[in-house]
Amino acid sequence: GQQLNQSPQSMFIQEGEDVSMNCTSSSIFNTWLWYKQDPGEGPVLLIALYKAGELTSNGRLTAQFGITRKDSFLNISASIPSDVGIYFCAGRVKTSYDKVIFGPGTSLSVIP
Amino acid sequence: DGGITQSPKYLFRKEGQNVTLSCEQNLNHDAMYWYRQDPGQGLRLIYYSQIVNDFQKGDIAEGYSVSREKKESFPLTVTSAQKNPTAFYLCASSSKRPSGGADTQYFGPGTRLTVL
Repeated sequence: GQQLNQSPQSMFIQEGEDVSMNCTSSSIFNTWLWYKQDPGEGPVLLIALYKAGELTSNGRLTAQFGITRKDSFLNISASIPSDVGIYFCAGRVKTSYDKVIFGPGTSLSVIP
Repeated sequence: DGGITQSPKYLFRKEGQNVTLSCEQNLNHDAMYWYRQDPGQGLRLIYYSQIVNDFQKGDIAEGYSVSREKKESFPLTVTSAQKNPTAFYLCASSSKRPSGGADTQYFGPGTRLTVL
């Protein structure tokens, strides 16, 4: 079935460093989504990508929809302590409903 | 403020008891969803509803039931048939895009259910 792989599984970085994480699948998606989840809270949408090759920024965050439609990456520049959390990628497929497949997440820790 | 609310934040129940988790949205969204999240894992879809009085099973519906009597509300009942109910439960909703497809899902704050 459709499945997403995220890498790395976890990362520890120094404050101020840039971060890069990615999401891959053997299936094609028509939308890629990136969410951030703080402990004990619901995921919050960071960026939505709707077209292959699309590159979108949201402040210090930049995400791209892969040309093959099977992958996406998220970059965070100049990390700060509040970037700590779990980052989920999600791919959406066109079915009879809004079917969204979530990756297992990348856990980010920022060392001040 | 517009948004999705889930209550309670924490819920404790004895094994064998049914329990109902609340989800309310005032975003005027047509579609609503319930997900389960276990530690270190992604979200798995339990049930979804695209319109009032209609709902469909997701990937892990066994041991759960839902209702959608009002557009704003989509309660989830965790029954005693659910073998491993302790988890973090997330409700989401989405609207329709002008093109007809679903818009992005927005999540509530979640309910952590612990079965003792």
